[in-house]
Amino acid sequence: EAGVAQSPRYKIIEKRQSVAFWCNPISGHATLYWYQQILGQGPKLLIQFQNNGVVDDSQLPKDRFSAERLKGVDSTLKIQPAKLEDSAVYLCASSLQVEGYNEQFFGPGTRLTVL
Amino acid sequence: GNSVTQMEGPVTLSEEAFLTINCTYTATGYPSLFWYVQYPGEGLQLLLKATKADDKGSNKGFEATYRKETTSFHLEKGSVQVSDSAVYFCALRGTHAGGTSYGKLTFGQGTILTVHP
Repeated sequence: EAGVAQSPRYKIIEKRQSVAFWCNPISGHATLYWYQQILGQGPKLLIQFQNNGVVDDSQLPKDRFSAERLKGVDSTLKIQPAKLEDSAVYLCASSLQVEGYNEQFFGPGTRLTVL
Repeated sequence: GNSVTQMEGPVTLSEEAFLTINCTYTATGYPSLFWYVQYPGEGLQLLLKATKADDKGSNKGFEATYRKETTSFHLEKGSVQVSDSAVYFCALRGTHAGGTSYGKLTFGQGTILTVHP
């Protein structure tokens, strides 16, 4: 079974530039999560989708971050404009659904460096 | 809100030593508890889980028991190997007032474990 795919693996940009990350979840997984992991900290949820609807985006900085999950499969996370403090690893995870126990499977992450 | 606190790291051990990584949590209701591991250059992987009080999760020689009275979920292994060197994250998934679970995980800050031969 293929795992969660993310691209790119690494990205270096200058502040005020824009950047986009892509995630392809495990086939059949209805729930998709984007987490931000700053160096030395645990991952923090940015946004959670159930199919193509947003379940939780309470910690997403909506003035600069946006995410979409068209057709309930792939997802894109965008930052515009980037700030220095956005340097982090962005993790995508997916699970079968929200309710009940459904293991979250994580992708390898995209490491973003903002200069 | 929900929170998870892990012991400060890094932890450095010799092979075959006993490992304990402490984890305590704050949550309302009846959260599920998890340990995730991140090996160098790889993504997060679920190591073990416990979904109710007094449950013991175990995998690959690692164990953790869900202690509601002390709000703890400490990770233990009797004899570590060099291949156990990784970052370990304690996490919880909370529940709504009605008992249905949130989807999201709340993580601790992670503990770096290095095992020397």
